[in-house]
Amino acid sequence: SAVISQKPSRDICQRGTSLTIQCQVDSQVTMMFWYRQQPGQSLTLIATANQGSEATYESGFVIDKFPISRPNLTFSTLTVSNMSPEDSSIYLCSVYITEAFFGQGTRLTVV
Amino acid sequence: AQSVTQPDIHITVSEGASLELRCNYSYGATPYLFWYVQSPGQGLQLLLKYFSGDTLVQGIKGFEAEFKRSQSSFNLRKPSVHWSDAAEYVCADLNSGGRNYKLTFGKGTLLTVNP
Repeated sequence: SAVISQKPSRDICQRGTSLTIQCQVDSQVTMMFWYRQQPGQSLTLIATANQGSEATYESGFVIDKFPISRPNLTFSTLTVSNMSPEDSSIYLCSVYITEAFFGQGTRLTVV
Repeated sequence: AQSVTQPDIHITVSEGASLELRCNYSYGATPYLFWYVQSPGQGLQLLLKYFSGDTLVQGIKGFEAEFKRSQSSFNLRKPSVHWSDAAEYVCADLNSGGRNYKLTFGKGTLLTVNP
């Protein structure tokens, strides 16, 4: 199993600013995943973060908007850059070890 | 492209009644299917999963799900619902092709339980 600590749990941010979300796992994992859940929508994969290489982004998501760091096998960050109200969502990090484990999520509100 | 459909956005049942939540998947000769429950402040909790073998899988909290390949379905059931089951239920499919363990999620079904 895996325990994931994600922070912050929630934040209210001004448009045009950036927020960095941190995700810490209690075991070493090769891949970490970042998801977004917009209101009324399904959880959608933003990118897959591998240690030692650039993240792989899904269609519709770009590195300039969602830069990701993966400095080691237990930690990753996702930055939401130049925020607009449309970025108001829940952001989740996840790992897969026989099943998927998730952080508690970050509820972001952009005003 | 891979997709997961949960046709019911919101379901209301009475406490003690039976429950069935629908899930249809669209991709994969061998789907890896999951049901999660999402409660406010609780994150996503795995209820059960299907990889292979017996098509009726048992999960936690008295839930079960049946995989039906002919219908591309993986419906979640519970014989008697408790008030504490009120939550969002999310179905997911794992694309495990290659090394890329990506989950595709349905939009979820919100369950309300009436006393």
